[in-house]
Amino acid sequence: DGGITQSPKYLFRKEGQNVTLSCEQNLNHDAMYWYRQDPGQGLRLIYYSQIVNDFQKGDIAEGYSVSREKKESFPLTVTSAQKNPTAFYLCASSIQGQGVEQYFGPGTRLTVT
Amino acid sequence: GENVEQHPSTLSVQEGDSAVIKCTYSDSASNYFPWYKQELGKGPQLIIDIRSNVGEKKDQRIAVTLNKTAKHFSLHITETQPEDSAVYFCAASIRVYNDMRFGAGTRLTVKP
Repeated sequence: DGGITQSPKYLFRKEGQNVTLSCEQNLNHDAMYWYRQDPGQGLRLIYYSQIVNDFQKGDIAEGYSVSREKKESFPLTVTSAQKNPTAFYLCASSIQGQGVEQYFGPGTRLTVT
Repeated sequence: GENVEQHPSTLSVQEGDSAVIKCTYSDSASNYFPWYKQELGKGPQLIIDIRSNVGEKKDQRIAVTLNKTAKHFSLHITETQPEDSAVYFCAASIRVYNDMRFGAGTRLTVKP
């Protein structure tokens, strides 16, 4: 059963703590992406990776960090420097290239108080 | 950079009616335009897409039209059903690395 998994579905943290969101895919996709979704807004790109050991900042990378040590995994760390971290986070993957479908995971809702 | 605007933000229709959602984009170099459907608590799923060399594409009750000159594209859903109720996002992609710009979303409600 191929797909993208994100865990956990809900995550609660205290302000000032770093937190890491998991994203795993078994679709054999080279490219992976992290988006942030806020109410009434479209998805905004945080980071993307086209290949293992390489990643690029998206539009709202400040306060976030990623790693891509394995093809299947693209974890996102929300650091204490992120001013407004409470949001719904979506991970996606695709084959390499432009104009190709992105497959999304079920998302993680992060609440920071 | 690319900017995608989507209208309306909410849309309510009776079952069996048609629904139309419109998007405009700013970068004339954009060449791939997908539409995603997102159900509550889930990730978006691609429902249809269109490339800039095509003016219209249809898949059963869903169609997408693209007007490159005016830089807008639309999603048309005919014979709507309650299970069509969801949030729909349009997007535009230009760059080699497939990063997309998404519209703000349209919450479609189909009343039985």
